[in-house]
Amino acid sequence: QLQLQESGPGLVKPSETLSLTCTVSGGSISSSSYYWGWIRQPPGKGLEWIGSIYYSGSTYYNPSLKSRVTISVDTSKNQFSLKLSSVTAADTAVYYCARHSYYYDSSGYKGLSWFDPWGQGTLVTVSS
Amino acid sequence: DIQMTQSPSTLSASVGDRVTITCRASQSISSWLAWYQQKPGKAPKLLIYDASSLESGVPSRFSGSGSGTEFTLTISSLQPDDFATYYCQQYNSYSVFGQGTKVEIK
Repeated sequence: QLQLQESGPGLVKPSETLSLTCTVSGGSISSSSYYWGWIRQPPGKGLEWIGSIYYSGSTYYNPSLKSRVTISVDTSKNQFSLKLSSVTAADTAVYYCARHSYYYDSSGYKGLSWFDPWGQGTLVTVSS
Repeated sequence: DIQMTQSPSTLSASVGDRVTITCRASQSISSWLAWYQQKPGKAPKLLIYDASSLESGVPSRFSGSGSGTEFTLTISSLQPDDFATYYCQQYNSYSVFGQGTKVEIK
């Protein structure tokens, strides 16, 4: 059974870089069938996709966060990581990692699709 | 950017009720839509993908329908375990979630 687990500091100072790692167990991150994604949820609010990565290193980012986000993958450790720079209080959230499926439509266009399964999430607070 | 609007934001219902949640997209997304259930302090759980395909292991009282810009999630007979918040997600262009619908006990 595939499981994902987020890890990293729970407190980050404003203007610094948030760094999280997601460890995948029960399956290989090098599967050609999936991307691996990050999603966040501010306290009491909705979900926001941050970005996703393929085992080869190919990435997709949310345009609203793209300038501050870097996602990387380490296939030898079965892990992928998130870095979010220049954080502010608005970046305080529960951060989830998840397996991200993809599809091909009738014209051959490849699109990322649904998230399943998800990690349990980790709360990151931005505060001095 | 595609915007996703769910209605209602909160829904009060009783066990055994038929419940319908609506998700509207600001432009056509074909059938590229998923539904999730989230309970307090837990990660979201995939229920429906491609607008109407039931994820393995999800009870058959959950169903999804729609295409284009209007979609619905229906719970045919609400069970105690179903009180939660539900989110839609479009994946026609990147990934964007709706703001959520909380289903609470009436």
